[in-house]
Parts: sequence; structure tokens; C-alpha cells
Amino acid sequence: DAGVIQSPRHEVTEMGQEVTLRCKPISGHDYLFWYRQTMMRGLELLIYFNNNVPIDDSGMPEDRFSAKMPNASFSTLKIQPSEPRDSAVYFCASSPDYDNEQFFGPGTRLTVL
Amino acid sequence: AQSVTQLGSHVSVSEGALVLLRCNYSSSVPPYLFWYVQYPNQGLQLLLKYTTGATLVKGINGFEAEFKKSETSFHLTKPSAHMSDAAEYFCAVSEGFQKLVFGTGTRLLVSP
Repeated sequence: DAGVIQSPRHEVTEMGQEVTLRCKPISGHDYLFWYRQTMMRGLELLIYFNNNVPIDDSGMPEDRFSAKMPNASFSTLKIQPSEPRDSAVYFCASSPDYDNEQFFGPGTRLTVL
Repeated sequence: AQSVTQLGSHVSVSEGALVLLRCNYSSSVPPYLFWYVQYPNQGLQLLLKYTTGATLVKGINGFEAEFKKSETSFHLTKPSAHMSDAAEYFCAVSEGFQKLVFGTGTRLLVSP
């Protein structure tokens, strides 16, 4: 199994631009999670999906952030417009079911200038 | 609300020495507790977890942790450090497997 796949691995953009991060979960996993990691705030859960349906988005920082999961094998996290304070490493993770561990992808390092 | 405190942002040990990484948690319900490891430029990998049952939990790479309810602790230990153990370690708490709350991490440095 290829594990959780994230793209791009690195993204550098300018303030005000739209950024789209992509995630392919492990096949057969019903849960998908988006996390953000920063030096100041550590690792934070932004949103998670079950069977493509958003279950809890209370961690999404503001309306500039949105996440979708159009099918079981693909999810996006979009920031529009981006700001320098959005610079962070964004991780996607997936889990096979409710009572199982989360498997993390390698992350996308986002830099907003 | 649940929270995790990891004492020490950096811990340095010599190769072969005992590794002890501290984690204290706060939870109003019986917690699920986890230790994850993050190697440079990689995602997090589960080391071990406690859900119910035996309070001493063994994980991968020779690590273990003990759940102590009276001390609200879940410290991670390894009897003998290897150079390959150098990484960042995260403790996490949750009510189940889903909404994990992570600590700020402890970077383990291993010297020859």
C-alpha cells in the first residue's frame, strides 16, 4: 500500500493567492483528517470526514479555509485568499474505521510570502 | 476539554542511555492516549496507544508507556537509546480514535 499521498509536498505562494492542497487516503479507509502544524500552535485538527461527509470542522480557523471530499479517494483543503500566517505544514491522515489508528501522510509545507 | 502537556521541548541522551519523555493529560472522561513519532520531513507514525485494559503498553522500536490515572500521566520510556531514535515525539489524548489533541512535542537528541 502506498500510504496516504499528499500533493504538493512544498508550496510557495504570495499573499492573496488561492492555495489548494490535495490528499489521497489509503484505499478502504472511511475517515480522513486534515491537520495543521505550526511552531506556535503545534499540531491542530482542522476537519475530519467520515464516508466523504464532514463530521467536525470546528478546527477550521476561518472562512478562508474550506475542505471537500468529493469521493472516497480524494480530498482538498483550500485557502482563499492566503495570508502569511497560514504558513505551516498541513497533514492529511486516514483511518480505516472508528476504532482504529490514524495513518499520516508526509505533509505539505506551505509558505505564504 | 482535553489537553496534553509535554514537559521539555528538547531531551538529550547518550546512545545506550534510558529515554524518558514526559506526558501529562487532562480529560473529563476515560482517555485514549497515544504516542506518535515524527522523523524529519515525514508524517507522524504511531508508536503505541492505550485505550483500556493493561496500563503498561508496549509499542514499536522498543518503546513502552505506562498509564497512571492517579498521576494523569503517560510517560514514554525506552531502556537503551539508539541513534535512530532521534526524532520528535508527540503525546496525544482523545475520547476515542478520532479527535486527537496533541501536545507540543519533545525533540529527542541522541549523542554517540
